[in-house]
Amino acid sequence: DAMVIQNPRYQVTQFGKPVTLSCSQTLNHNVMYWYQQKSSQAPKLLFHYYDKDFNNEADTPDNFQSRRPNTSFCFLDIRSPGLGDAAMYLCATSGRSGYQETQYFGPGTRLLVL
Amino acid sequence: DQQVKQNSPSLSVQEGRISILNCDYTNSMFDYFLWYKKYPAEGPTFLISISSIKDKNEDGRFTVFLNKSAKHLSLHIVPSQPGDSAVYFCAARYSGNTGKLIFGQGTTLQVKP
Repeated sequence: DAMVIQNPRYQVTQFGKPVTLSCSQTLNHNVMYWYQQKSSQAPKLLFHYYDKDFNNEADTPDNFQSRRPNTSFCFLDIRSPGLGDAAMYLCATSGRSGYQETQYFGPGTRLLVL
Repeated sequence: DQQVKQNSPSLSVQEGRISILNCDYTNSMFDYFLWYKKYPAEGPTFLISISSIKDKNEDGRFTVFLNKSAKHLSLHIVPSQPGDSAVYFCAARYSGNTGKLIFGQGTTLQVKP
């Protein structure tokens, strides 16, 4: 089945220690998104890739970076995680030909910062 | 400034009855609205959507109503089943934008057998 896969499902890191979260998709979608969802809050878009074009949200901290080496994979790098970065990180994809309304989400990676 | 609001954090309904989940928005530039369902330890799953040019969209037990003048949409589930117990997120998309979705905080639905 075509799907969005996120690894790992749970990640524990130490304060200030860089961490990378992974997302892959078999949907052949152009667009890949990263959302951050803190407890009991709405998912919030951090950035997205349209093919290789990176689009950062204005209020996304510089601490968060992303890489998309090919169509299938996208990575979220947190350079120096703080306690406030503990959250669920959701990857989503959409569109085989441009932006489309429906986004398909992976299961998420829950990040814990000690 | 929260542009999409789900004012009810939780809702409890008896099996077989109707569940009505509500969502309000403030930005008239939204042109597409979606509902997602989320089970614990899983990502949100797309449920149903509606374009701003329509006022109703139906898919099986799920119906979404849009009232543009009131900037309000609702999701009706009839009949409700215990498997519908989940968190429901309302989301809205800007017209002509990058596909960015603005989510509400979610409503936890519990359907009691």
